[in-house]
Amino acid sequence: AAGVIQSPRHLIKEKRETATLKCYPIPRHDTVYWYQQGPGQDPQFLISFYEKMQSDKGSIPDRFSAQQFSDYHSELNMSSLELGDSALYFCASSGDRHYGYTFGSGTRLTVV
Amino acid sequence: KNEVEQSPQNLTAQEGEFITINCSYSVGISALHWLQQHPGGGIVSLFMLSSGKKKHGRLIATINIQEKHSSLHITASHPRDSAVYICAVDSGGGADGLTFGKGTHLIIQP
Repeated sequence: AAGVIQSPRHLIKEKRETATLKCYPIPRHDTVYWYQQGPGQDPQFLISFYEKMQSDKGSIPDRFSAQQFSDYHSELNMSSLELGDSALYFCASSGDRHYGYTFGSGTRLTVV
Repeated sequence: KNEVEQSPQNLTAQEGEFITINCSYSVGISALHWLQQHPGGGIVSLFMLSSGKKKHGRLIATINIQEKHSSLHITASHPRDSAVYICAVDSGGGADGLTFGKGTHLIIQP
């Protein structure tokens, strides 16, 4: 069965550079959630989208932005990267929360 | 905001032992999830519970809604069960998805 696809799997960027992370939900899932998991930390909610509209915002820095496109894939754009942005960024998708979530494998971002 | 507490934080056991990981939360929920995260980050959904008990292979998950508590059990543990096990709750009302516990780092030694 198709899963949630994230790309790239790994990304190394220098400070002050920009990065774009992509998340492709499974078919018929209309909601995407982005989470940031720092080393040894529990995941923190960043932002979510439902039907291409932002539905909730968590601890997402102003340097980050995101959107959901007409095919329901989502992109997280990160600018002016800082060392502290190094983390695993994963997304999850759902169609109906009563049926749960499907998780992507994440993008491991390292800022040097 | 729901507070999710897991215990223990770290657990090392011998192959074959019966494993129990506990999760408590502070506010009523619509569902509780047990997730498995392997080194490298990939997250796998093990169970979604809103009441009672579920079993899948050697894994059993239970939830007590009144006590706001859930347990994940692994029978006949095996080294391949070594991973981080995360409890996450869906409070149902918001659009922020899940609130995660800090995870239990399980190591099963041969």
